[in-house]
Amino acid sequence: AQRVTQPEKLLSVFKGAPVELKCNYSYSGSPELFWYVQYSRQRLQLLLRHISRESIKGFTADLNKGETSFHLKKPFAQEEDSAMYYCALYTNTGNQFYFGTGTSLTVIP
Amino acid sequence: KAGVTQTPRYLIKTRGQQVTLSCSPISGHRSVSWYQQTPGQGLQFLFEYFSETQRNKGNFPGRFSGRQFSNSRSEMNVSTLELGDSALYLCASSLVRTGSYEQYFGPGTRLTVT
Repeated sequence: AQRVTQPEKLLSVFKGAPVELKCNYSYSGSPELFWYVQYSRQRLQLLLRHISRESIKGFTADLNKGETSFHLKKPFAQEEDSAMYYCALYTNTGNQFYFGTGTSLTVIP
Repeated sequence: KAGVTQTPRYLIKTRGQQVTLSCSPISGHRSVSWYQQTPGQGLQFLFEYFSETQRNKGNFPGRFSGRQFSNSRSEMNVSTLELGDSALYLCASSLVRTGSYEQYFGPGTRLTVT
């Protein structure tokens, strides 16, 4: 069963515009959710995790248990935000990570 | 701390051959996971090792196998290579401790099968 869904494969926004990358999950337990980012020619790296409720590079993500969503948001997109973004769920019942299929974000100058 | 390292970084093999990829996790991390990344399929989970035991396995054929050593280093083996095995193979390590489950990725091994 698909645990993590990222409905948008490609997303383009203009520089300075708000951006939202969608992520929905399915898990009956208490989820641990993460956003990972992969810039061109760089390794996949952790962007943020819901448990720390932090803002990294202007991005935030709020866990909405009612809607089972963990959307990534940034109020003003920058060109350097262009990258591949993956949403990930960790289930401590199975000790396993589930990654979404990723969203490729392009910020148009 | 040094990050996750993977060797080799690039590999070219022919169909039918076998290949072994290596991963050294971050010091202190006991969990190592392997993923296959392709443009069409994204990240696909292969397997996860924790304390030398395979704890989880993805939906890949038996040609894909792995192991983990007592120092947490891990190897992945693919036998009888097929053209479709061409991909970036990523290794990720994790501390797996309450409040600290995030995975840290290596740069990957780019495997090309001709």
